[in-house]
Amino acid sequence: QVPLVQSGAEVKTPGSSVTLSCKASGGTFSTRNSVSWVRQAPGQGLEWMGGITPSLGFVTIAQRFQGRLTITADTSTATAYLELSSLTFEDTAMYFCAGDQNWFDPWGQGTLVTVSS
Amino acid sequence: EIVLTQSPDTLSLSPGERATLFCRASQTVRSGNLAWYQQKLGQAPRLLMFDASIRAAGIPDRFSGSGSGSDFTLTITNLEPADFAVYYCQQYGTPPLTFGGGTKVEIK
Repeated sequence: QVPLVQSGAEVKTPGSSVTLSCKASGGTFSTRNSVSWVRQAPGQGLEWMGGITPSLGFVTIAQRFQGRLTITADTSTATAYLELSSLTFEDTAMYFCAGDQNWFDPWGQGTLVTVSS
Repeated sequence: EIVLTQSPDTLSLSPGERATLFCRASQTVRSGNLAWYQQKLGQAPRLLMFDASIRAAGIPDRFSGSGSGSDFTLTITNLEPADFAVYYCQQYGTPPLTFGGGTKVEIK
């Protein structure tokens, strides 16, 4: 499995947007691979947000995030992106990307997003 | 969506003991499409099992998974200090993908 390396921590204000990146360190996405985003609020469990199959451009997004979550990928740089808009305090969480074979493996190291006024 | 309920919330055990963790689904998980993860404090989750009973690469055989339908079990025999962590189940048989709330295995 190709390790996934995520971008650094972000601090955002309510109502703003955040864009996170997740790069396959091996330099390519396998044509079979999908990448998903999973978040974890402080002290809480795991929540699947959505995923993308970069080779196909096929995206699925959990219903609760539809309308404010965009997932994209750049196959030339083997990087997946998450953009979450209209941030609220409840979006404060660790955001993980993970290789998605229906189960998640490997995982990125996580990116902490803090929403604060 | 399928809701996964894990029990117990916390399991207090000593090294060398056996841990039995449960994951119950609100409806049948198709084809046993269930995975288990281990998460230590401050780290990303790590895949332990998929398809209910297949160990991921590098996972020792002290870890075993079983179950079908709506009831699944993760068993850890001969607990080692590194096994004390939080464990999550996840179903991928029916969209959307969902996780259980986790079971913490702590040192007694």
